[in-house]
Amino acid sequence: DAGITQSPRHKVTETGTPVTLRCHQTENHRYMYWYRQDPGHGLRLIHYSYGVKDTDKGEVSDGYSVSRSKTEDFLLTLESATSSQTSVYFCAIRPTGWNTEAFFGQGTRLTVV
Amino acid sequence: AQSVTQLDSQVPVFEEAPVELRCNYSSSVSVYLFWYVQYPNQGLQLLLKYLSGSTLVKGINGFEAEFNKSQTSFHLRKPSVHISDTAEYFCAVTANTGTASKLTFGTGTRLQVTL
Repeated sequence: DAGITQSPRHKVTETGTPVTLRCHQTENHRYMYWYRQDPGHGLRLIHYSYGVKDTDKGEVSDGYSVSRSKTEDFLLTLESATSSQTSVYFCAIRPTGWNTEAFFGQGTRLTVV
Repeated sequence: AQSVTQLDSQVPVFEEAPVELRCNYSSSVSVYLFWYVQYPNQGLQLLLKYLSGSTLVKGINGFEAEFNKSQTSFHLRKPSVHISDTAEYFCAVTANTGTASKLTFGTGTRLQVTL
């Protein structure tokens, strides 16, 4: 299995608080992604990275920011959590190349109350 | 920009029956297509991928998919399903555009296999 770890795996937080989710890889892959999974919506891309300090927005980026200061770590921050951000968040990694397979973490279940 | 549409949100099927899960894509450039499976409370894992060459792609667990460029489709099939195939299946696409490689998923199809 690809070396990808998400932390925490579960978190409950209050509305208005900042939250940071971490994705850590040991594969030295170039691309890293954050998705959220919600019933009826599948996986929606939040942000992705194509190198250290190189990131771009996905289709549902409002309310989220990311940082990648090292190849192995990709952080997702909810600046001020809202109930609409209750979801399961998945990190994925891919090696360089247009046609390469993505490997997924186990997910983080975030509940905003 | 590329996108994928999964036409069925749920597909019920009896064990040992054949199944087809439909996926259509849209892109202005050449695409690479994938099918992923997600078992309950797990992350996603790759079933198969189409990169180029033969339009019929074989994957794990007896699944196969056919790439049809004229119909912009990449339907997933299995001739005889098992209870253990019950899961959610996602079609995904990436395209050769720019410096970043965006990987876009469909909304998923829940396959429910019953006796």
